[in-house]
Amino acid sequence: RKEVEQDPGPFNVPEGATVAFNCTYSNSASQSFFWYRQDCRKEPKLLMSVYSSGNEDGRFTAQLNRASQYISLLIRDSKLSDSATYLCAAKLYNQGGKLIFGQGTELSVKP
Amino acid sequence: GAVVSQHPSRVICKSGTSVKIECRSLDFQATTMFWYRQFPKKSLMLMATSNEGSKATYEQGVEKDKFLINHASLTLSTLTVTSAHPEDSSFYICRVIPRREGRSYNEQFFGPGTRLTVL
Repeated sequence: RKEVEQDPGPFNVPEGATVAFNCTYSNSASQSFFWYRQDCRKEPKLLMSVYSSGNEDGRFTAQLNRASQYISLLIRDSKLSDSATYLCAAKLYNQGGKLIFGQGTELSVKP
Repeated sequence: GAVVSQHPSRVICKSGTSVKIECRSLDFQATTMFWYRQFPKKSLMLMATSNEGSKATYEQGVEKDKFLINHASLTLSTLTVTSAHPEDSSFYICRVIPRREGRSYNEQFFGPGTRLTVL
């Protein structure tokens, strides 16, 4: 079983739609969690960290459920420019900052 | 501006040759550098963890004699793909953890990646 698993994609949505990405992790020693955005042939860019209390940044909302070992990312009012691959990542406790990524979910926002 | 650089950004080589990829932190010293590999439409797979002055720690399934990592200074780590074959064609990305006191692990410090194509 992979340490971090994501919904398979691709997601094709119209502009303005709300889209949700989900991710589960298997290692209970996972310390902290993140969502990254990756554009084609580029390095991943940090979108947001994920906190147990949930956090929001504009149109983006991230949630963490430690009991279920589950994180999510919600994008509201999606824009064409949101088209990218979204990866969740878990940092393992006491392993020198090692970051493990999910397989990524491709999002395509259409006009 | 970029805080982590990788060189080269793209390389095409013949099967059997060795390719060296450099990862440099530009305005800080790096305690640790991680090397990832990403195949098309796949996730970033951690290959190894590189600490300055010590041997790299490889993830399960990654051949250490195939992927040589040298972290000779606090600002430079190199990954050498030895005797490259077409199946080694991939996108190689480094991630850097800054050493600067007071800074915690910062997940934003990725290099821009190196695209390797082995013919």
